[in-house]
Amino acid sequence: EAQVTQNPRYLITVTGKKLTVTCSQNMNHEYMSWYRQDPGLGLRQIYYSMNVEVTDKGDVPEGYKVSRKEKRNFPLILESPSPNQTSLYFCASSRPEGRPTLSTDTQYFGPGTRLTVL
Amino acid sequence: DAKTTQPNSMESNEEEPVHLPCNHSTISGTDYIHWYRQLPSQGPEYVIHGLTSNVNNRMASLAIAEDRKSSTLILHRATLRDAAVYYCILRAMDSSYKLIFGSGTRLLVRP
Repeated sequence: EAQVTQNPRYLITVTGKKLTVTCSQNMNHEYMSWYRQDPGLGLRQIYYSMNVEVTDKGDVPEGYKVSRKEKRNFPLILESPSPNQTSLYFCASSRPEGRPTLSTDTQYFGPGTRLTVL
Repeated sequence: DAKTTQPNSMESNEEEPVHLPCNHSTISGTDYIHWYRQLPSQGPEYVIHGLTSNVNNRMASLAIAEDRKSSTLILHRATLRDAAVYYCILRAMDSSYKLIFGSGTRLLVRP
């Protein structure tokens, strides 16, 4: 089954304790990205990756890091989490290899990770 | 990116058709109209997209106005499982892969 998986699904942590949220897709997608969703602010992009070893900032990258060492994985790293990073996080992927048409591209989202930073 | 406008919420009865409107008066000629929905406690999921002609798939139909300044997502027989927030999103050929989500329309389906 084609899917994007995220782990953990729920996480409560304390300020300053480094954490990683994993994201994996099994569709051989080149593009992957991270969004956060907050009440009243909607979904906002944090980071994205066009392919292996190619990452770039989205709209709200402060306090986050990412890496793309393998095509299928795109972990989100919070080196020193703060309470304002309490949010619902979604990983997404798209663009199967060899099909770069952007305007018809459809994205697949993971189930979400609810993070609480105390 | 061109802006879309959707009603904040709509209600429907189960097994009745639902028409979810979206206005995009500043759409350019090469912008595609995409619809995603987000079920409670889930990530957004793709529903349908189109350029000029009406489109049908197993989930819904998309009716696009002749001047392309508006479109309507049609759920032919709403079920309780269709209760979600529906997002209308424009995608340009030269834009990024980032999806720009507005506030969407929250659809309530009454049994």
